[in-house]
Amino acid sequence: GAVVSQHPSRVICKSGTSVKIECRSLDFQATTMFWYRQFPKQSLMLMATSNEGSKATYEQGVEKDKFLINHASLTLSTLTVTSAHPEDSSFYICSAQTGSSVSTDTQYFGPGTRLTVL
Amino acid sequence: AQTVTQSQPEMSVQEAETVTLSCTYDTSESDYYLFWYKQPPSRQMILVIRQEAYKQQNATENRFSVNFQKAAKSFSLKISDSQLGDAAMYFCASTGGATNKLIFGTGTLLAVQP
Repeated sequence: GAVVSQHPSRVICKSGTSVKIECRSLDFQATTMFWYRQFPKQSLMLMATSNEGSKATYEQGVEKDKFLINHASLTLSTLTVTSAHPEDSSFYICSAQTGSSVSTDTQYFGPGTRLTVL
Repeated sequence: AQTVTQSQPEMSVQEAETVTLSCTYDTSESDYYLFWYKQPPSRQMILVIRQEAYKQQNATENRFSVNFQKAAKSFSLKISDSQLGDAAMYFCASTGGATNKLIFGTGTLLAVQP
């Protein structure tokens, strides 16, 4: 089956620093990738949708300048948390799909990245 | 706006028994899809089953089946012959229409007792 990887799996950083999280589709080309945030014992909240070669579409309430998303190729998307603060500590999950339709194209999820900001 | 509601925060089932997880949704779309995802302790989200709203036949995947009641906007998941590996958080999700994104419910934590 399709595999999506994320790196790193865990990261601890100091407040004010920036952290980059990579999401890769290992055996398929991902036209669309999604970034989610999950707080403990809560559901997944969509942060943004990215299509290869174009700007990401952010959900309402998500700061574009704080959460920079780059989808430079059909197998790689990155999420950079800029000037991270303790409230940004969370579990970040990416997903990827081959087409552009969430309904008909299966989303394959990465294993997630736990970010802790001290 | 599309909403997905899971009213059971936690459920428990004995190994080999059957359990049903509830999910209701609200949408104004005529064409939409419904999903159940499993998130085990590893946190890796796994697609369990998918249902197209225009199909009357309930989807089935081995021990997993759904009871899709379109008029009631209900989409429950039945797990038969429960196994220890079924223990996980289960999320119901929907999508459709112009909103090209998955909307997740709050999840049901399923425990399987040996």
